[in-house]
Amino acid sequence: GAGVSQSPSNKVTEKGKDVELRCDPISGHTALYWYRQSLGQGLEFLIYFQGNSAPDKSGLPSDRFSAERTGGSVSTLTIQRTQQEDSAVYLCASSLLTGAYEQYFGPGTRLTVT
Amino acid sequence: GNSVTQMEGPVTLSEEAFLTINCTYTATGYPSLFWYVQYPGEGLQLLLKATKADDKGSNKGFEATYRKETTSFHLEKGSVQVSDSAVYFCALSTREGNNRLAFGKGNQVVVIP
Repeated sequence: GAGVSQSPSNKVTEKGKDVELRCDPISGHTALYWYRQSLGQGLEFLIYFQGNSAPDKSGLPSDRFSAERTGGSVSTLTIQRTQQEDSAVYLCASSLLTGAYEQYFGPGTRLTVT
Repeated sequence: GNSVTQMEGPVTLSEEAFLTINCTYTATGYPSLFWYVQYPGEGLQLLLKATKADDKGSNKGFEATYRKETTSFHLEKGSVQVSDSAVYFCALSTREGNNRLAFGKGNQVVVIP
């Protein structure tokens, strides 16, 4: 079946602009995670959604970052007033909560802030 | 908190050599342990996992055993191929942490023909 998809695959933006990154999880997966992969920090957790529960935002690096998940499916990560240090690959993953909590990753969005 | 430590630096070895990548962890709660692999130009893929002590995860000739007493989950393969060249990440998750993954820094593995 279809895997996790993300769009756009690449995004170049000017410092100070807002960006939106989209994630379509695997159908039926109730848990959705956002991570960031950067050279300096490695792979970092950003935010977690599970069904209708309040999201776990404990990994968001600043209040410029926000995310929502509509209808328990598609998720959007928004970065306001982008900074150069926001340049990274943003990864989305989804999982079923039953079983061994295996997470399936999307291909990522490479964000470059100039 | 949860953290994962991988051995420093890239690993370069010849085809058919034995590969070991060390991984140790600290965790609050009882973690599940994972190895993820990132092939050139591709996304992260789960390679293998283990969910309780003494479990051995295996896939594609790779193995790792969950060692609670040494808090380790070392990755091994007996005879590597050029196609195994990739970046390997050790990771853990716990229920208390909403199963979010904590990753090690990753190891670049280069297999030379």
